[in-house]
Amino acid sequence: DGGITQSPKYLFRKEGQNVTLSCEQNLNHDAMYWYRQDPGQGLRLIYYSQIVNDFQKGDIAEGYSVSREKKESFPLTVTSAQKNPTAFYLCASSIDILDRYKSVNTEAFFGQGTRLTVV
Amino acid sequence: AQKITQTQPGMFVQEKEAVTLDCTYDTSDPSYGLFWYKQPSSGEMIFLIYQGSYDQQNATEGRYSLNFQKARKSANLVISASQLGDSAMYFCAMREGIDNYGQNFVFGPGTRLSVLP
Repeated sequence: DGGITQSPKYLFRKEGQNVTLSCEQNLNHDAMYWYRQDPGQGLRLIYYSQIVNDFQKGDIAEGYSVSREKKESFPLTVTSAQKNPTAFYLCASSIDILDRYKSVNTEAFFGQGTRLTVV
Repeated sequence: AQKITQTQPGMFVQEKEAVTLDCTYDTSDPSYGLFWYKQPSSGEMIFLIYQGSYDQQNATEGRYSLNFQKARKSANLVISASQLGDSAMYFCAMREGIDNYGQNFVFGPGTRLSVLP
């Protein structure tokens, strides 16, 4: 079955540590995204990537880094520079076939999320 | 400026009744897509329904329908015959910039729906 997989589901980080969240998709999607969600809040974009070896900062990229070496994979590293990393992290992917003159459904498919807690 | 506005932080509805969740959006791009997602307490994001800016008719998917009023920039979600399992957070999202290849999704703050037995 095609889908998008995030791991781990729960992650605990000590102060000053870098941690990497995994995101893998087998949907053959070009675009991938990382969102952060705080309790009771909406989703805020951290980074997104349209193609391999290219990615763009989102609204809250400070303290995070990403790579896109393979189409299927878009790992997120939460660095020690991120002062308040405790949150729920969601990875998503979508196709990028967009047509200027007609509507094309390009919904984002989401992983199950990783809940990161600083201890 | 907020691109997606959901003015109802929380809503209650009686089981089997219909409920409307509001969403207004802001864009100057003629090509865009509007999406609704459901997020139960488990955290997963479940895609519900899509409306394209060029679509002439309102989208429907089972018990979900979208009341799309383009001139008012409104895309309200209507859930008919509410069920207890509909209790969740609901997010409205927009993907704009179709003229600019590969724009990202912007989400609203969400509405928490509680279905009462």
